[in-house]
Amino acid sequence: AQSVSQHNHHVILSEAASLELGCNYSYGGTVNLFWYVQYPGQHLQLLLKYFSGDPLVKGIKGFEAEFIKSKFSFNLRKPSVQWSDTAEYFCAVNARLGRDDKIIFGKGTRLHILP
Amino acid sequence: DAGVTQSPTHLIKTRGQQVTLRCSPKSGHDTVSWYQQALGQGPQFIFQYYEEEERQRGNFPDRFSGHQFPNYSSELNVNALLLGDSALYLCASSRRETQYFGPGTRLLVL
Repeated sequence: AQSVSQHNHHVILSEAASLELGCNYSYGGTVNLFWYVQYPGQHLQLLLKYFSGDPLVKGIKGFEAEFIKSKFSFNLRKPSVQWSDTAEYFCAVNARLGRDDKIIFGKGTRLHILP
Repeated sequence: DAGVTQSPTHLIKTRGQQVTLRCSPKSGHDTVSWYQQALGQGPQFIFQYYEEEERQRGNFPDRFSGHQFPNYSSELNVNALLLGDSALYLCASSRRETQYFGPGTRLLVL
């Protein structure tokens, strides 16, 4: 069965610090990978996605993620965070099996940026 | 272009009651998935509807059922509510692999 593990439940950083949120998944086949963000009081929004091709994916708001197949990882990065990045971040995966597009989510990482 | 919409936004029920939640997908999307997000957890997949049929199902009991209408909108029904059903229920729509989420319905079971 697929599963997603996010390494940190809570992360606190100061503005301008660099960010890396870890994500590992367990599934031996081909996968689609996602990072979603949930800002306070708002709904889940897609931050970025990886389906194939260049393993370094750029998303909105300066975020990027790198797919490392050998490590089953899809870590999210941002070189310099802003106070407005305070949110909960979810890594998610779905197995590419026919029309199976059920998404399995990690438990989320709550990011708090200090002004 | 309207995104995914859900109704109602909030709902309070008592144990044993039944509830129906509604979802309208993003324009052009034909697939609707439902998720349950408990407090402090990631969303958990309930089921997915495509062409008015349940295509996939997660690890949820039969008390959770759904429907998809010809216009692609969908309903989630939960019977015999338990306290543990209190959660945010999310609807996501898609046409291919990327799912777009609605704002959710927050259900409180007393």
